[in-house]
Amino acid sequence: GQQVMQIPQYQHVQEGEDFTTYCNSSTTLSNIQWYKQRPGGHPVFLIQLVKSGEVKKQKRLTFQFGEAKKNSSLHITATQTTDVGTYFCAGPRLMYTGKLIFGQGTTLQVKP
Amino acid sequence: DSGVTQTPKHLITATGQRVTLRCSPRSGDLSVYWYQQSLDQGLQFLIQYYNGEERAKGNILERFSAQQFPDLHSELNLSSLELGDSALYFCASSVDKGLEQFFGPGTRLTVL
Repeated sequence: GQQVMQIPQYQHVQEGEDFTTYCNSSTTLSNIQWYKQRPGGHPVFLIQLVKSGEVKKQKRLTFQFGEAKKNSSLHITATQTTDVGTYFCAGPRLMYTGKLIFGQGTTLQVKP
Repeated sequence: DSGVTQTPKHLITATGQRVTLRCSPRSGDLSVYWYQQSLDQGLQFLIQYYNGEERAKGNILERFSAQQFPDLHSELNLSSLELGDSALYFCASSVDKGLEQFFGPGTRLTVL
C-alpha cells in the first residue's frame, strides 16, 4: 500500500541552527500537506503544496515539493524554541477523498 | 482554537467496555475525519464522513464504528475495548475533500 516516510524521526538542534525534515512517498501525490503538533497539542495545518517543483515560504519556514511529486521537504532557518514540536507531512491516499496518509513525523527539540 | 470540539477530553475505562467519542466540526465543514494517535503508530486515519455519508475508510477495526448525523456532528464508537486501544483519538474537519483539515483537541482514551 501507499506509504509516506519521514526522516529523521528526531532532531535536536541548538537555537539558531537550521533544521530540515524530508518526506518521501511510495507513489506520486496530487498534493502534500504539512502539519505541526506542539507537545500535548493537536496537529495544526501549515501549508499545502500542489504543483511539481513548488516552493513556498512562511517567514523562516521553506516548503518544497519535488519535481516528481513524490517527495517534499520543510526547512526552518535559525530555529527558535517556539519551533519545538512534531512536523508531519501528509499525502492523499485517493484523489477524490480527503483520506490522508501521514508520515511518522519528525520531532524537533531546540536547546536554548 | 480550531473550531472543532471533541468530548470528552479524557476517558478511562476497563477492557471489554464500550465508549462513544463525540466530535462537532467547524461551522460549515461537511467532512469529518477520525484519527488514532498512539506512541508507536503515529497518526492513523480511521474513517471519513462527508455530509452524512461514509467517504473513505482506513485501518478501522471491526470493533469500531462511526457515524455522522444530520447536524454534521460525528460519533466514534469503540467496543470490546482492549489495552491496545489506549490512544489519543482526534477528529478533524474540512470544508471538502482534499483541503486542509482542522483538528480538534482530541480525546485521550485509557483502557485499564
